[in-house]
Amino acid sequence: QKEVEQNSGPLSVPEGAIASLNCTYSDRGSQSFFWYRQYSGKSPELIMSIYSNGDKEDGRFTAQLNKASQYVSLLIRDSQPSDSATYLCARGDYNQGGKLIFGQGTELSVKP
Amino acid sequence: ETGVTQSPTHLIKTRGQQVTLRCSSQSGHNTVSWYQQALGQGPQFIFQYYREEENGRGNFPPRFSGLQFPNYSSELNVNALELDDSALYLCASSLAQGANTGELFFGEGSRLTVL
Repeated sequence: QKEVEQNSGPLSVPEGAIASLNCTYSDRGSQSFFWYRQYSGKSPELIMSIYSNGDKEDGRFTAQLNKASQYVSLLIRDSQPSDSATYLCARGDYNQGGKLIFGQGTELSVKP
Repeated sequence: ETGVTQSPTHLIKTRGQQVTLRCSSQSGHNTVSWYQQALGQGPQFIFQYYREEENGRGNFPPRFSGLQFPNYSSELNVNALELDDSALYLCASSLAQGANTGELFFGEGSRLTVL
């Protein structure tokens, strides 16, 4: 079982729709979770962090965390073609210094 | 504010050779981490340096080594290159507390091809 698991996609949604990206993790003790966006040929950039159960909203993005189900999601409202990218889910692991454990990423394609 | 810069951006090596990748941290950041990203995969943690000391290491063999300098820049060295070392190598800097919050600032990466 992978530590952080995502559907690799591609996930295709029409412009203006809600894109829903999902992630599960295996370490029940995990406390911090992150969503990074990576455009093709570019480096990852942080778009959301979430630490508590429930929803966290930032503009068109909403991160959701359910620690009991070991599940994290990212919703993108009013999806735009510029949102087309790979979205990486990660959890923080601070047993040795600090590191992120990433999933394999979900490729999102927003069609005009 | 200067971002994270990496060099070289692309390089090609042959099996058995050695490579050194370089990274300049974002201004004010004292922690640097290195990640390996194979095609179609998420980044995998190699190691982290804080104040010139290794501060955590992932599941990579000893032929992967690193350094952090007093100005917080860093190097990743890989000896005895293997074909599977072909990947994008990402450097990420953060404030110490940033490392604990996952707020990493990535450079554009060095793409290594091993033939």
